[in-house]
Amino acid sequence: DTAVSQTPKYLVTQMGNDKSIKCEQNLGHDTMYWYKQDSKKFLKIMFSYNNKELIINETVPNRFSPKSPDKAHLNLHINSLELGDSAVYFCASSQGNSNQETQYFGPGTRLLVL
Amino acid sequence: DQQVKQNSPSLSVQEGRISILNCDYTNSMFDYFLWYKKYPAEGPTFLISISSIKDKNEDGRFTVFLNKSAKHLSLHIVPSQPGDSAVYFCAAFYSGGGADGLTFGKGTHLIIQP
Repeated sequence: DTAVSQTPKYLVTQMGNDKSIKCEQNLGHDTMYWYKQDSKKFLKIMFSYNNKELIINETVPNRFSPKSPDKAHLNLHINSLELGDSAVYFCASSQGNSNQETQYFGPGTRLLVL
Repeated sequence: DQQVKQNSPSLSVQEGRISILNCDYTNSMFDYFLWYKKYPAEGPTFLISISSIKDKNEDGRFTVFLNKSAKHLSLHIVPSQPGDSAVYFCAAFYSGGGADGLTFGKGTHLIIQP
């Protein structure tokens, strides 16, 4: 049973396209996150979201937008993809929003923009 | 601005010996620290954590030590096993910062040699 799942696992697309990455967690957690792992291997927070609050890392371009149809899903939509968006994107979830709870990560989505 | 630093990109240790992975942080507001383990093509998996009110936390073969005055923590694995070969990420956050997500180091690739 996969706790945090992401689709697709790999995504290759052209510059300028719009794409979405889906994330689902079956842990009943309240908070979900998106992280980006860049070419230098840094894992950086992009968004955190629970039912009440969306926190956006100020460095994230507004071409990136999280969309949550329900508590178990937090999808990442990217408009007008750029070469620099190529990275691995990880979704994560935790029980509460205090960050004291362990975050559980998905397997990652490898995005390549050509 | 690297708030969490793992200065050793890789570490090679003989099976059965002790592995020591180091992590330094610069943000004195951080009060909770975690270690994650990552295999290739998988998301990070939580390993062990420590609150700033403690200086040691132990879980089986894994022990994390925290030296707040030096802003340094380390992960000890003893005895090291082949399955421990992975990338280890140190992560930190400030509990008063809401759901800001974790700040990760770049990771240390641990290689256990038979």
